[in-house]
Amino acid sequence: EVQLIESGGGLVQSGGSLRLSCEASGFTFSDYWLSWVRQAPGKGLEWVANIRQDGGDKYYVDSLRGRFTISRDNSKNSLYLQMNSLRAEDTAVYYCATESARTPLAFDMWGQGTMVTVSS
Amino acid sequence: QSALTQPASVSASPGQSITISCSGSSSDVGGHKYVSWYQQHPGRAPKLIIYDVSNRPSGVSNRFSGSKSGNTASLTISGLQPEDEADYYCGSYSSSTTSRVLFGGGTKLTVL
Repeated sequence: EVQLIESGGGLVQSGGSLRLSCEASGFTFSDYWLSWVRQAPGKGLEWVANIRQDGGDKYYVDSLRGRFTISRDNSKNSLYLQMNSLRAEDTAVYYCATESARTPLAFDMWGQGTMVTVSS
Repeated sequence: QSALTQPASVSASPGQSITISCSGSSSDVGGHKYVSWYQQHPGRAPKLIIYDVSNRPSGVSNRFSGSKSGNTASLTISGLQPEDEADYYCGSYSSSTTSRVLFGGGTKLTVL
């Protein structure tokens, strides 16, 4: 069974840091581009960042570049998101997702999400 | 304001058909084939239902179809069923410098 399980969310004060993890199973993790997508409470989806299969290429939404860092460890089937200098507007559910092997930037497998709450 | 524009809500009765639009620009929706659609039920993760404008992943009902004209993509759901009630999001690759992927603001579908 394909699974993506996020962890690491929680309540943090403004200016603090969190590291999210996403552990995968049931598929060949190293074959896929991976993304983080977030969703603020009651709001729409926002793409955050993605990373190539070997970790060599990384892309970020401009507004988060410099504060967030995406990484992966294929030996552990894990994806990470280091979030620094957190702000209230970073409060959201954070999902990890695989990008389809058929076509770029279509997200075909998703985790259940982890909630990050930044208190001001 | 989201980069791609969707109607906030749409409603119809069971058995009817609806179409949700997703308007962008030549830098995203209009510029290539990498447009996708997602269904999200409350409290659940999104589910991919259309990729590359009009392709359905395995297991997705053929009641869902996608198309594109110029800078506007569309999702059509035919033969509406109660379980189709959900939020729907379009997504697109973008050649802009600010983000590789843009999503629409989402459309709440109510099956009356």
